[in-house]
Amino acid sequence: AQRVTQPEKLLSVFKGAPVELKCNYSYSGSPELFWYVQYSRQRLQLLLRHISRESIKGFTADLNKGETSFHLKKPFAQEEDSAMYYCALWARGNNRLAFGKGNQVVVIP
Amino acid sequence: KAGVTQTPRYLIKTRGQQVTLSCSPISGHRSVSWYQQTPGQGLQFLFEYFSETQRNKGNFPGRFSGRQFSNSRSEMNVSTLELGDSALYLCASSFDGTADLNGEAFFGQGTRLTVV
Repeated sequence: AQRVTQPEKLLSVFKGAPVELKCNYSYSGSPELFWYVQYSRQRLQLLLRHISRESIKGFTADLNKGETSFHLKKPFAQEEDSAMYYCALWARGNNRLAFGKGNQVVVIP
Repeated sequence: KAGVTQTPRYLIKTRGQQVTLSCSPISGHRSVSWYQQTPGQGLQFLFEYFSETQRNKGNFPGRFSGRQFSNSRSEMNVSTLELGDSALYLCASSFDGTADLNGEAFFGQGTRLTVV
């Protein structure tokens, strides 16, 4: 079975400071990892996926299979980054996304 | 194109009642998944339907059931409601249920169910 762990529920950072959201996973196969974001009063949406290796809205995430981690990083937080962030794992053949419990990020002006 | 639509947006029910939630996926998508979102547990997978067949099921009691119609619209039913069923119920649609390089799950805005 797959499992995703996001250790910190709430993260407060000052505008301009770096932000890092930790995500660790447990899965015996080859995982597909994602970060989803939910802004206030908006629907959950895909932020980025490990396989595309993109930087979206200044965020990056690197899959580290040795440490089974997929941490999300941004060097300079902006107020509009305040949101709920979920790390998710998709297991091939399982047809489901397993989500972590989420990180609430608050960017202080 | 239109996004995933969930109806109703809000529901208040009493314990013991049953409820039906609806999800209309993006046109052309054949897979619909349902999730329960709560502050304590985050997003938990309920089940996934593809071409009118349930392909995958999470660890929820039998009171939670669903179905999918030939037009890919899906309904979720919860019978004998309990206070703990209060949550935001999200559905997600994708072309074929995969989330690989070419796949993506698109979420609806959810139905907020409150059981009193």
